[in-house]
Amino acid sequence: DTGVSQDPRHKITKRGQNVTFRCDPISEHNRLYWYRQTLGQGPEFLTYFQNEAQLEKSRLLSDRFSAERPKGSFSTLEIQRTEQGDSAMYLCASSPNVDTQYFGPGTRLTVL
Amino acid sequence: AQSVTQLGSHVSVSEGALVLLRCNYSSSVPPYLFWYVQYPNQGLQLLLKYTSAATLVKGINGFEAEFKKSETSFHLTKPSAHMSDAAEYFCAVSVRYGGSQGNLIFGKGTKLSVKP
Repeated sequence: DTGVSQDPRHKITKRGQNVTFRCDPISEHNRLYWYRQTLGQGPEFLTYFQNEAQLEKSRLLSDRFSAERPKGSFSTLEIQRTEQGDSAMYLCASSPNVDTQYFGPGTRLTVL
Repeated sequence: AQSVTQLGSHVSVSEGALVLLRCNYSSSVPPYLFWYVQYPNQGLQLLLKYTSAATLVKGINGFEAEFKKSETSFHLTKPSAHMSDAAEYFCAVSVRYGGSQGNLIFGKGTKLSVKP
């Protein structure tokens, strides 16, 4: 069990650029979640995958956001045409069941 | 709908003193409740969880929490604070109805400071 990993840990970009984050879940975990955490707030749910299927999306996930989980392994979260309001920590979590989620270290995005 | 409210955005205790972090929940179905800890610039680490078994739940690092249905509370306690406990603590409830798949709703967090 090597834990959930995320890459990159930090990303600084200019407004209007596209960014992509990667999450590698704990192997054999079929559930994968993405959350966004802004300064001084708790994480907020963005989207959920079971294996390769994206089964749930929050209304926070605007059409500039897209997530994939090809082959049910790693997942990517892409933000197109970034805005300053997208600056946040993006957290990935994986789970073997509905009970417990294990979080990665997060990717901190700063949009200038 | 489900929600959690954490009372107190900042709590300060002396080393060796009791830690009490408060969490109240709202849920139309029997809740699954969690406490996570977050150190600066890191992800969240699970401290403990309640999933309808024993109401007194013991977690890592000497923390425990008691589920009280009558008070809709799930407060986190530790008998004796240690300097290494200084961090931000989040209470969360799992959404398990309406087709949702267990995504978590978090409170706003409580930052714990420990004074020497």
